[in-house]
Amino acid sequence: GAVVSQHPSWVICKSGTSVKIECRSLDFQATTMFWYRQFPKQSLMLMATSNEGSKATYEQGVEKDKFLINHASLTLSTLTVTSAHPEDSSFYICSARDGGGPYEQYFGPGTRLTVT
Amino acid sequence: GENVEQHPSTLSVQEGDSAVIKCTYSDSASNYFPWYKQELGKRPQLIIDIRSNVGEKKDQRIAVTLNKTAKHFSLHITETQPEDSAVYFCAASIGTNAGKSTFGDGTTLTVKP
Repeated sequence: GAVVSQHPSWVICKSGTSVKIECRSLDFQATTMFWYRQFPKQSLMLMATSNEGSKATYEQGVEKDKFLINHASLTLSTLTVTSAHPEDSSFYICSARDGGGPYEQYFGPGTRLTVT
Repeated sequence: GENVEQHPSTLSVQEGDSAVIKCTYSDSASNYFPWYKQELGKRPQLIIDIRSNVGEKKDQRIAVTLNKTAKHFSLHITETQPEDSAVYFCAASIGTNAGKSTFGDGTTLTVKP
């Protein structure tokens, strides 16, 4: 149980285009999902907290108009990187908390984004 | 906001030896402290966690200790094996379903056979 999937696992896009990443909780309902960004050999940096049915809460320094987050259902949150640039290339990981469970958060497998 | 510091950044041990990784946190309201193991290119995997009402927790070769007064917690791995080699992250959070986690910078553990 407690499986989180992410799609796609990797994507290459051209500068100026937009990319959507999906995060799904497969066997539980996630009222809260988190989006992280991880650069090589660095820690996970929280970008935003996504709550089902409401606006996401962005961390300081994260552009909400560039990283659009939608949490339309209890099992799906999406991150759209708009007008991507090479500096947006990174490993994006989502995590989800089971609304009826303990404090543990379950991580997705991550999405490797490369912007050329 | 919460600040988590993790030491050391790299750790190399001989197979069979013990490894200890230490973290400190700043927000006294944090009450949930998980440890994650991340292999290259993969997702972080929870290996052990502890809540603030407990001082120590053990799971086979892995143990975590928490000192709330000093605001620090540590990961102990005994009888290390080469497959323990990975990056380990500590985190601190306020344990509600909406509580976000703050991660340490990570420790790269290398276990030499």
